[in-house]
Amino acid sequence: NAGVMQNPRHLVRRRGQEARLRCSPMKGHSHVYWYRQLPEEGLKFMVYLQKENIIDESGMPKERFSAEFPKEGPSILRIQQVVRGDSAAYFCASSWPSGANVLTFGAGSRLTVL
Amino acid sequence: GEDVEQSLFLSVREGDSSVINCTYTDSSSTYLYWYKQEPGAGLQLLTYIFSNMDMKQDQRLTVLLNKKDKHLSLRIADTQTGDSAIYFCAESIKNSGNTPLVFGKGTRLSVIA
Repeated sequence: NAGVMQNPRHLVRRRGQEARLRCSPMKGHSHVYWYRQLPEEGLKFMVYLQKENIIDESGMPKERFSAEFPKEGPSILRIQQVVRGDSAAYFCASSWPSGANVLTFGAGSRLTVL
Repeated sequence: GEDVEQSLFLSVREGDSSVINCTYTDSSSTYLYWYKQEPGAGLQLLTYIFSNMDMKQDQRLTVLLNKKDKHLSLRIADTQTGDSAIYFCAESIKNSGNTPLVFGKGTRLSVIA
């Protein structure tokens, strides 16, 4: 079991470009979460998805950010027209339906905006 | 509202016990968690406790929950240099469905040899 796989691990973009971050959940997990970690900050929840459905996007910025989890393939977090303030580590986690809701995290994708 | 607070830094000597504290505000929290993050890595689950428990022990780790004071602690016995990391407290506030976890800012544990 390869765990939660995120790629790319590091991504550099210039202001105004697009960033696409991918996450493959653990085998058997049907729930995916995206979190953002700014330097010296904790993890801030962004969005929670199940296959083909966005369940909770209360933490997503209203503009430029979108997420999907298609029937086939990984979950994608897309940031359009990136700005320097988007520089952060973006973590994906997955879980399967259970009372304890234990999240398994990927190693993260570190976005740097020049 | 949901808010999880932790002190930012803790420094201990190798072999001593470490105690990392956390307070949360939502009294409807059902599960509380401790995660560990090593440099450049993702978060690794250490342990979790259901809100109707007072204590949970797992090898060198002891979790204490004071639900009345909304206080959670993680004790690491015989702390080793490999325990140096950031420790995050998190809560899950709903009893049904896989709701997102709310994390504190993390406590950076430094172990001095």
